[in-house]
Amino acid sequence: DTGVSQDPRHKITKRGQNVTFRCDPISEHNRLYWYRQTLGQGPEFLTYFQNEAQLEKSRLLSDRFSAERPKGSFSTLEIQRTEQGDSAMYLCASQTGVSIQYFGAGTRLSVL
Amino acid sequence: QQPVQSPQAVILREGEDAVINCSSSKALYSVHWYRQKHGEAPIFLMILLKGGEQKGHDKISASFNEKKQQSSLYLTASQLSYSGTYFCGTDGGGTSYGKLTFGQGTILTVHP
Repeated sequence: DTGVSQDPRHKITKRGQNVTFRCDPISEHNRLYWYRQTLGQGPEFLTYFQNEAQLEKSRLLSDRFSAERPKGSFSTLEIQRTEQGDSAMYLCASQTGVSIQYFGAGTRLSVL
Repeated sequence: QQPVQSPQAVILREGEDAVINCSSSKALYSVHWYRQKHGEAPIFLMILLKGGEQKGHDKISASFNEKKQQSSLYLTASQLSYSGTYFCGTDGGGTSYGKLTFGQGTILTVHP
């Protein structure tokens, strides 16, 4: 257990539906990252927060994706109008300062 | 740009050694190494920072050549538990420090 929790672990949805994932970072970590991982590939950066501020978004993150981190604690990642290409593992990581990023076990999304 | 890892796959017998390489075309601030087993979170192994600082597990060693933008992970006296996919994540520092770009992974299999 890395101390980073993600919920749900698995999500199956139909194309066009909206989904929301949650990440609870290690409590004292001020930075929180979202990555996406497809089979056989390394994680790809999506976005990150420093406290409650979203500082950068990847070009991979289309307008259908939105992320929040209210009060600088947990974070949510929402995907609207899901497409089959959104099927992937969504990983969350937290970090304090310039140091180690600890990853959660991820949410595996399957879009049918 | 994505760092390049080599080799793509390694097969070992218990007790044998292996080296995994990671090469970037961009100047690096830090290199992070992770091991991931199927369906699990990437587990932190080592962080190597520009200037020589390192943090990691006692049984893992790594090197970072800042001038060549290369890092190597050294696995000695391998155990069955070392099996998994190894990823290097590179951080270019500057205004986007902390945002990791991962290689495609190296699959390590250790047999009894």
